[in-house]
Amino acid sequence: QVLLVQSGAEVKKPGASAKISCKASGYSFTSYGLHWVRQAPGQSLEWMGWINVGNDNTKYSQKFQGRVSITRDTSASTIYMELHSLRSEDTALYYCARDLGRSAGNFHFWGQGTLVTVSS
Amino acid sequence: EIVMTQSPATLSVSPGERVTLSCRASQSVRNNLAWYQQKRGQPPRLLIYDTSTRATGIPSRFSGSGSGTEFTLTISSLQSEDLAVYYCQQYDNWPPMYTFGQGTKLDVK
Repeated sequence: QVLLVQSGAEVKKPGASAKISCKASGYSFTSYGLHWVRQAPGQSLEWMGWINVGNDNTKYSQKFQGRVSITRDTSASTIYMELHSLRSEDTALYYCARDLGRSAGNFHFWGQGTLVTVSS
Repeated sequence: EIVMTQSPATLSVSPGERVTLSCRASQSVRNNLAWYQQKRGQPPRLLIYDTSTRATGIPSRFSGSGSGTEFTLTISSLQSEDLAVYYCQQYDNWPPMYTFGQGTKLDVK
């Protein structure tokens, strides 16, 4: 079955960077797009960016452009999301999610989430 | 950015009831609309995509309809396990700028 397993919770100071991983299994890794979506405490969901795992093409939300980077390691069936210049408002649960296809834009499978806490 | 507005914010319901949730887009998203269910402490779960297509394993009591800017999720006979927060999401843009509604919470009447 499709599984997305994310790395563990992180605590960061303001101004630092966080790098989260998402390891995929149970399907052909390079055949589907993967997204990052975050959820601040008690809030709705917010799309951050996408990677076409097959050709390494990426697109980011304008809100995070310049501050976020999504990369892949096909040998490890893993993608990474790095968020720089962290501030308290970045405290959230970060999810990776698999697309229906490469870039359909809807999220059929989700990781368990990684809590990033930004605090001095 | 396309703004998604859901109503109501909270809905108090009883098991067996027919439930209708609404989602409005600030501009047309054609039929590029999905619905997710999220229970406390869990990631979201895809229910419906392309406005009306049920995702794998989703019970037939869930159905979606609409087009353009007005969309509806209907639960034909609410079960206790359906108590959760429901989000709509549009995916009509390219380059992508996908957006979610603020959610509708179903709780017990």
